[in-house]
Amino acid sequence: AQSVTQLDSQVPVFEEAPVELRCNYSSSVSVYLFWYVQYPNQGLQLLLKYLSGSTLVKGINGFEAEFNKSQTSFHLRKPSVHISDTAEYFCAVTNSNSGYALNFGKGTSLLVTP
Amino acid sequence: NAGVTQTPKFRVLKTGQSMTLLCAQDMNHEYMYWYRQDPGMGLRLIHYSVGEGTTAKGEVPDGYNVSRLKKQNFLLGLESAAPSQTSVYFCASSLNPVQETQYFGPGTRLLVL
Repeated sequence: AQSVTQLDSQVPVFEEAPVELRCNYSSSVSVYLFWYVQYPNQGLQLLLKYLSGSTLVKGINGFEAEFNKSQTSFHLRKPSVHISDTAEYFCAVTNSNSGYALNFGKGTSLLVTP
Repeated sequence: NAGVTQTPKFRVLKTGQSMTLLCAQDMNHEYMYWYRQDPGMGLRLIHYSVGEGTTAKGEVPDGYNVSRLKKQNFLLGLESAAPSQTSVYFCASSLNPVQETQYFGPGTRLLVL
């Protein structure tokens, strides 16, 4: 079985400040890790993914995440956020079970204010 | 190339009514998924399909049925709607779910009264 825990349900931050959205996972097998973003009233869009190799993964819109196997974490970071980054962010894991369906965390709402 | 489309965008049902949600993709993807999104719950897998003619249950399959008669379409049916099925439903598809991204549709908002 696998599960994902997003440690913060809401993260308020000022524009141009750095941000970290935390994600921990548990799994008995090797997993693949993802971060998705959902803007209001829209579907989900892939930000980045970790499959193997380098533990630092760079994605779109200036986001990056670091895979830490010993701490079973995959935290998302951005050095300087914009108002337009306000959205819901989901961490997800998958493996070969369930047709590689995504197992999502409950989401973190990022609110960027001026 | 329309990507993943969902029909309808919004629907109101009375308890006990039935309906079918349609997901269509024009990318020749093998894998298709139905998720539901509820406040504070993230997205949960209802059913999925790894190819035409195949379907399997996900985490929350009760009260739903699916069919994948054509590769491009994945139908989600509610035989007797219940208020607990009020949710936003997302369809996703992928050619290779690990190497490629899952592409999500815009969602269907369903309200069951």
